Amino acid sequence: QQQVRQSPQSLTVWEGETAILNCSYEDSTFDYFPWYHQFPGESPALLIAIRPVSNKKEDGRFTIFFNKREKKFSLHIADSQPGDSATYFCAASVQGTGSKLSFGKGAKLTVSP
Amino acid sequence: DPKIIQKPKYLVAVTGSEKILICEQYLGHNAMYWYRQSAKKPLEFMFSYSYQKLMDNQTASSRFQPQSSKKNHLDLQITALKPDDSATYFCASRGDRGTEVFFGKGTRLTVV
Repeated sequence: QQQVRQSPQSLTVWEGETAILNCSYEDSTFDYFPWYHQFPGESPALLIAIRPVSNKKEDGRFTIFFNKREKKFSLHIADSQPGDSATYFCAASVQGTGSKLSFGKGAKLTVSP
Repeated sequence: DPKIIQKPKYLVAVTGSEKILICEQYLGHNAMYWYRQSAKKPLEFMFSYSYQKLMDNQTASSRFQPQSSKKNHLDLQITALKPDDSATYFCASRGDRGTEVFFGKGTRLTVV
């Protein structure tokens, strides 16, 4: 059972545009929602994360929008750059020692110059 | 300096053989994990350990056995290897108070 669903699977935007990646989840006990990015041949790395106490989290060009009622959250990448081209994974977990991150299937973002 | 060390980086194994993937973390974390990544199943959770105790196991097969000899070690023994086991195996860790999960660089396993 896929606990975190991600869409689209791939996305191409032009340099300077805003890329939007979407996720939804099932488990209402989840209380931590990170986005990871992964470049080819490398390991996943945390990009930005949000907790349900907020409905928006910004870090530079990256913004998470969170909708607790609809169990959805999205990543907006403003002014996309070719260097943002990577695979992006949303995830969710319950805070607690040893609790696992459940990942979406990933979205391959390509930013064309 | 990498804080989560995985060995080896690349591994080629024969079908039916047994291999051990090594993971050591130097972040002082008490929770450690194994994830598997392949074309079919990106970032699939396998195991979680906390204070050297198994917390969660989402791996259907008993061929996969985690081993924690020390607090900062979590190795993964895989027996009777199959070509379908070919994937990159990531070790990860998380602090008690933290939320971020840190990943090692992975071991890329190819079973021929």
